[in-house]
Amino acid sequence: DAEITQSPRHKITETGRQVTLACHQTWNHNNMFWYRQDLGHGLRLIHYSYGVHDTNKGEVSDGYSVSRSNTEDLPLTLESAASSQTSVYFCASSNGGEPQHFGDGTRLSIL
Amino acid sequence: QKEVEQDPGPLSVPEGAIVSLNCTYSNSAFQYFMWYRQYSRKGPELLMYTYSSGNKEDGRFTAQVDKSSKYISLFIRDSQPSDSATYLCAMRFNTDKLIFGTGTRLQVFP
Repeated sequence: DAEITQSPRHKITETGRQVTLACHQTWNHNNMFWYRQDLGHGLRLIHYSYGVHDTNKGEVSDGYSVSRSNTEDLPLTLESAASSQTSVYFCASSNGGEPQHFGDGTRLSIL
Repeated sequence: QKEVEQDPGPLSVPEGAIVSLNCTYSNSAFQYFMWYRQYSRKGPELLMYTYSSGNKEDGRFTAQVDKSSKYISLFIRDSQPSDSATYLCAMRFNTDKLIFGTGTRLQVFP
């Protein structure tokens, strides 16, 4: 069955470090999205991609970057981790006009 | 003011009750409306997906969209303990970017 896999599921790191969260989908979807989920804010869009080599900023993109070198993967990088970036991160994918499918998230704690 | 408003709950109901979950939105340009269910420590999973005003039914779930009032609802009939989860409404324009509500936590007790 097609799926989205996020890794790691949990990570603890220190402020100032670079962190990369992985997202791999086997749906063969063109569109991929990164969200963060925080209490009181719901899911907020960080970055998204509509295809290979395409990336776009979302609502809360400061401090984050993505790159899309193939259809299956969209890694999310925190350039210099800050405590405000402690959150649960979700990756999603879709084809144009269709609903998004989500991974099970990465819990990131920045101390 | 947020584009999408959703009561965070928690909402606690007995097994077998009818549950009503609601969202309001401010932008009349939203065209597509979704409900996702999210269990603890899992990702959101799609429950219902609607385009136009009116009702859509799938088993015990009914999604209702009232574009004139900018109001969407999800009804759960004969609620079960397994329905205990957070329910997220989401909507989009004629693009693929979703705007989510903050989610309503539902607990169904036996």
